[in-house]
Amino acid sequence: KAGVTQTPRYLIKTRGQQVTLSCSPISGHRSVSWYQQTPGQGLQFLFEYFSETQRNKGNFPGRFSGRQFSNSRSEMNVSTLELGDSALYLCASSLRWPSGNEQYFGPGTRLTVT
Amino acid sequence: QKEVEQNSGPLSVPEGAIASLNCTYSDRGSQSFFWYRQYSGKSPELIMFIYSNGDKEDGRFTAQLNKASQYVSLLIRDSQPSDSATYLCAVNKNAGNMLTFGGGTRLMVKP
Repeated sequence: KAGVTQTPRYLIKTRGQQVTLSCSPISGHRSVSWYQQTPGQGLQFLFEYFSETQRNKGNFPGRFSGRQFSNSRSEMNVSTLELGDSALYLCASSLRWPSGNEQYFGPGTRLTVT
Repeated sequence: QKEVEQNSGPLSVPEGAIASLNCTYSDRGSQSFFWYRQYSGKSPELIMFIYSNGDKEDGRFTAQLNKASQYVSLLIRDSQPSDSATYLCAVNKNAGNMLTFGGGTRLMVKP
C-alpha cells in the first residue's frame, strides 16, 4: 500500500507570495493533519480534517488555511509569506477520527521563503 | 512548562546496549502516546504507540506508560548504529487526532 504523498517536495518562494501544498493520504485513510517543523519550534500542529471539515486548528495566524476534498486529499495554503514560514510542512494521515488514532507522515514539503 | 518534555540529548550508547528514552507530559487528560523516529532530513516514522498503563513490546522496542506519573518511555534493546536518529514523543489529548510533540531526543549508537 502506498504511503502518504506530498507535492511539491521543495519550494522556494519570495516574501509576500502565497503557496499551496498538496497531500494525498494512505488509501482508505480519511483523516488528514498538517504540521510545521522548524529547528526552533519543533513539530507544531496546524490543523486536521475529516469528512471535508476542519476539526481542530493549532495556534497559527489566519494566513494558514486548508481544505479537504471528497477523496480525502488535502491542501494547505499560506498567504502573504513571511521569512519565518520557512519550514518543513508535514502531512499525516489516519484511518479514522476522532481521537487517538495512529498517524503516518508523508515525506514533507520543504518551503524556503526568501 | 512545556506540554511534552524530552531530554534533547544526545544520548550516546554502545552498540548492543539498551537505550532508554524518556518523556513527561503535563495534561492528565492525555489518552494516547506515540513514539516517532526521525532520521536527519527525513520525516517522522511511527515506531510505537501505547494507550494503556504498562508495557508494550514490539521486536526490539518496548514502550512503557505510567499515567499516574505522567511518564512514557521507550526502550531499545540491542541498539544498532542504524537506530541513531532523533526520537520524538507525541501525545494525544483526546482532541481529534491532534498530536503535541516533545522536542525530541537525539540518540547516537556507537559501533
